[in-house]
Amino acid sequence: KQEVTQIPAALSVPEGENLVLNCSFTDSAIYNLQWFRQDPGKGLTSLLLIQSSQREQTSGRLNASLDKSSGRSTLYIAASQPGDSATYLCAVPSGGSYIPTFGRGTSLIVHP
Amino acid sequence: DTGVSQDPRHKITKRGQNVTFRCDPISEHNRLYWYRQTLGQGPEFLTYFQNEAQLEKSRLLSDRFSAERPKGSFSTLEIQRTEQGDSAMYLCASSPLLNYNEQFFGPGTRLTVL
Repeated sequence: KQEVTQIPAALSVPEGENLVLNCSFTDSAIYNLQWFRQDPGKGLTSLLLIQSSQREQTSGRLNASLDKSSGRSTLYIAASQPGDSATYLCAVPSGGSYIPTFGRGTSLIVHP
Repeated sequence: DTGVSQDPRHKITKRGQNVTFRCDPISEHNRLYWYRQTLGQGPEFLTYFQNEAQLEKSRLLSDRFSAERPKGSFSTLEIQRTEQGDSAMYLCASSPLLNYNEQFFGPGTRLTVL
């Protein structure tokens, strides 16, 4: 059974800082890994999808890397802004399935 | 709007009542998923459909829960005899035929059982 751990659980930083959010998983036989953003009381917004054959994906100020062999992914947020405040979730399927297991998320607050 | 939609967005009910939620996936997405999310946790998988066929159910889906997707388009999730432990956000997602990898989520239905 896939287990997904996200560290840190919470993060509060001043605007402008570069951030690294960590995700680790136990089963490396994965098709992909997906990072989501969730605003309070809302649904999930997909940020980046990394296929198992890829090592990283970039979108604007976001960069996600994947190291399957070590069971780790990182989400890098450059030049953080107050609008980045949200919970960031990592989702990883396993066992030949496309059904993801989610971590508990990292709750991020970026203050002006 | 071509995203996943869910209705209602909020539902408050008394313990023991039945509730039904609806999800409309992105047009032509043939896979549809239901998840449950409680405070401070990530979403947990409940069940998914490929077209009208329900292909997998989690052990979290007790016999009080039933999901349908009769025409392979929208889906309903019904909870019978609700309990306070059913209070959660119920999320729906869909994915397209050519890319099951990526799921697109709706805004969720927040259920409160009093």
